[in-house]
Formats: sequence, C-alpha cells, structure tokens
Amino acid sequence: AQKITQTQPGMFVQEKEAVTLDCTYDTSDQSYGLFWYKQPSSGEMIFLIYQGSYDEQNATEGRYSLNFQKARKSANLVISASQLGDSAMYFCAMRFDTGRRALTFGSGTRLQVQP
Amino acid sequence: GAVVSQHPSRVICKSGTSVKIECRSLDFQATTMFWYRQFPKQSLMLMATSNEGSKATYEQGVEKDKFLINHASLTLSTLTVTSAHPEDSSFYICSAIRSSYNSPLHFGNGTRLTVT
Repeated sequence: AQKITQTQPGMFVQEKEAVTLDCTYDTSDQSYGLFWYKQPSSGEMIFLIYQGSYDEQNATEGRYSLNFQKARKSANLVISASQLGDSAMYFCAMRFDTGRRALTFGSGTRLQVQP
Repeated sequence: GAVVSQHPSRVICKSGTSVKIECRSLDFQATTMFWYRQFPKQSLMLMATSNEGSKATYEQGVEKDKFLINHASLTLSTLTVTSAHPEDSSFYICSAIRSSYNSPLHFGNGTRLTVT
C-alpha cells in the first residue's frame, strides 16, 4: 500500500532553534517525489521543498532542508533558526509513480514557535 | 505572486442550493487540475482530477453527480456542489500543475463552504 505517515500531531520549538518534522512513507515504486507544504491558519498551501527519489543529495531551500533517508523511507523536514511566522501546519506529500500527478498528503504536524 | 486563483474564498448557502467554485491558473496553461477537500484539523483528501476537454476522474467514494467538475479551458476549472447539505461544509482547495513530473502542485487559497 502507498502511504504517507506523519507521527507528530504537534510540535513546539523555541524561536531561533532548529526543529525536525518527521515523515515516513511506504511504496514499492522506484521513482517518486516527496514534497513539503506549509499551511498557515489562513488556509493557503505554500510549497516549501521537493526531493526526488533518485536525487543523491538532500534538498535545501533557504532555512528548509530535507533529511532524505531512502533505505528507511523517511523524508524529514528540518527548519533551521525558527521564526514566529513558521507557526503553521506542515504536510508531507508524495507523488507516486502511477502516472497520476496528484499528491497524497500525510496527516500533518502543527508547529508552534514560542518566543 | 499567486499562480492559482480560487473564488470565492468563503460562501454560506442554504441546504438544497448549489454552489460554484472557480479555479484559475494565472500564468500557465493547466491541462490538469486537482480538487481537494479538507475537513477541520484533517489532511487534504483528493476528490477528483480535472482534465481539460474531457471528463473528470473522481476518487473512490466521491459522488460525481454531487460534485460536478468542468474544465472548459486551459486556465479554468469549476467545481459545483449540487444540492448542498450541511455535511458538505468543508474547505475546498484546487491546485494546478505545470508540465514536468517533479513540479509541485500550486494551490489556490481555498473556499470555505458552510451549508446551513
């Protein structure tokens, strides 16, 4: 079965600290894509970072980096130097190699950054 | 700036009426758009894939006669919730994709539907 799992319903982090949001997945596909999105309370979905299954290096975008461990089937998001504006829901999503281009989303993690 | 525009952002309607939600890709042609639904404190669930010029593909359990999707042009997809009931109250959010496989989905700002 193809599945995305986020085991942390909520996380707290102090401002300026780093935080890791967990994401594991289950697929037998060799080719797939992993995405992270941020959803503030306003509801919009903001794309953060992408990792392809064949990418050898971990993706980075500014303060966001993806700790991709293919053998463990995990794709954890690391946010460095947390800011108050980082408080939001974070969703891990996957595009499976089925020919469809829709994304399947995990259950999400609510991150709260404390001053 | 936003690449996908969704309208309206919020709508309240009476039970039994129909509501149309528009989703436009602003700076690229989208042959495929996706409609998701999100209940409070839950994740996004794919409802259907909207294909320009052809019928939409619905996910299992989604009533195609209740959620009518029309993708008449390369920049516009509409979702009509017909004969809405209170249980249809939810956050509906559309997305569009550029051409390549590793492209992310670009989302609209969503529509919060409340059926009274």
